[in-house]
Amino acid sequence: AQTVTQSQPEMSVQEAETVTLSCTYDTSESDYYLFWYKQPPSRQMILVIRQEAYKQQNATENRFSVNFQKAAKSFSLKISDSQLGDAAMYFCAYRTGTASKLTFGTGTRLQVTL
Amino acid sequence: DTGVSQDPRHKITKRGQNVTFRCDPISEHNRLYWYRQTLGQGPEFLTYFQNEAQLEKSRLLSDRFSAERPKGSFSTLEIQRTEQGDSAMYLCASSLWGPIRTQYFGPGTRLLVL
Repeated sequence: AQTVTQSQPEMSVQEAETVTLSCTYDTSESDYYLFWYKQPPSRQMILVIRQEAYKQQNATENRFSVNFQKAAKSFSLKISDSQLGDAAMYFCAYRTGTASKLTFGTGTRLQVTL
Repeated sequence: DTGVSQDPRHKITKRGQNVTFRCDPISEHNRLYWYRQTLGQGPEFLTYFQNEAQLEKSRLLSDRFSAERPKGSFSTLEIQRTEQGDSAMYLCASSLWGPIRTQYFGPGTRLLVL
């Protein structure tokens, strides 16, 4: 069974600084997709960034980038120039190429301080 | 472009009562998913539809749970004879069909069973 592990229950970062959230996953598949979702307090979950396993290049979306280490089965999220609005729960999620369901980690709560 | 909507946003019920939740996906999305999220956990997959066909159900979806998507548009999730353990956030997501099929989430329905 595929599992997704987020080992950091909580993280804190100062505004304008950089923070990295960790995620590891376990799979025997070669075709899969990885996602980071953000869930602000009492608000809906939104997609932050997506990585296709067949792509060697790390995905980037503005201030958000990933470090995808396929051999190590690691998928970390780097947030640069952190803003107060980045405060949220961040979930790492995995899906195989053929499946439809997402498997989520337990989340990392990110606090952004002044 | 309207996102995924869910109704109601909050529901309080007494143990043993039946409840029904509704999800309206993004209009052109033919796939619709239900997840359950308990406090401090990531969402867990319940079931998904492609058009009106229910293609996969999780073991979490006990006999008391039933989901429908009668015309391939909106979906309903019914829980019969609710139990306190059913208290959770019920999330709906939708996607296009395709290799990437990124899922977009609604705001969720928070259920409290007393």
